[in-house]
Amino acid sequence: KQEVTQIPAALSVPEGENLVLNCSFTDSAIYNLQWFRQDPGKGLTSLLLIQSSQREQTSGRLNASLDKSSGRSTLYIAASQPGDSATYLCAVCGSGYALNFGKGTSLLVTP
Amino acid sequence: DGGITQSPKYLFRKEGQNVTLSCEQNLNHDAMYWYRQDPGQGLRLIYYSQIVNDFQKGDIAEGYSVSREKKESFPLTVTSAQKNPTAFYLCASSYSGTTDTQYFGPGTRLTVL
Repeated sequence: KQEVTQIPAALSVPEGENLVLNCSFTDSAIYNLQWFRQDPGKGLTSLLLIQSSQREQTSGRLNASLDKSSGRSTLYIAASQPGDSATYLCAVCGSGYALNFGKGTSLLVTP
Repeated sequence: DGGITQSPKYLFRKEGQNVTLSCEQNLNHDAMYWYRQDPGQGLRLIYYSQIVNDFQKGDIAEGYSVSREKKESFPLTVTSAQKNPTAFYLCASSYSGTTDTQYFGPGTRLTVL
């Protein structure tokens, strides 16, 4: 069974810092990996999707990388802002048609 | 506006009652999913449907039931057999299959009194 782990569980940084969130998974037979953002009490917002054949994806200040062979992905956030404060979830799509989620990293960016 | 809607936003249930959570999408997506989220836990899959009139159990289907009579609708019933139903329920959809982004609704918070 696919296990997805996210480190750290919580992170607090001052505004302007660059930061990296980590995600690891146990089964490298995946179709894609997705990063989501969740604000308290809200649904999930898709940030980036990396297909299994890709190495990275970029959107604005966000960059996600994928190393399928080692079972790792990172989400890099440049020049963090207080509005980036949220929980970031990593999810992998493997056998079957649904996502396996990590427990998330709770990010706080302080002014 | 295109998107996924879930209703109600908050739902309270007495023990022993069945309740149905609504999920509707107007994105013309074939696939729909139900997830459950508990504090400190990742999302866990309850049921998913790839096409109309077909659905599959996820990791925690016991005590839940679904139907998919229309492409745009995928209601979830939480039955009295579900031992610990208090949770945040999220519905999602994707265009099709495994390689597409999943889009999520705003969620329904169910509390058992």
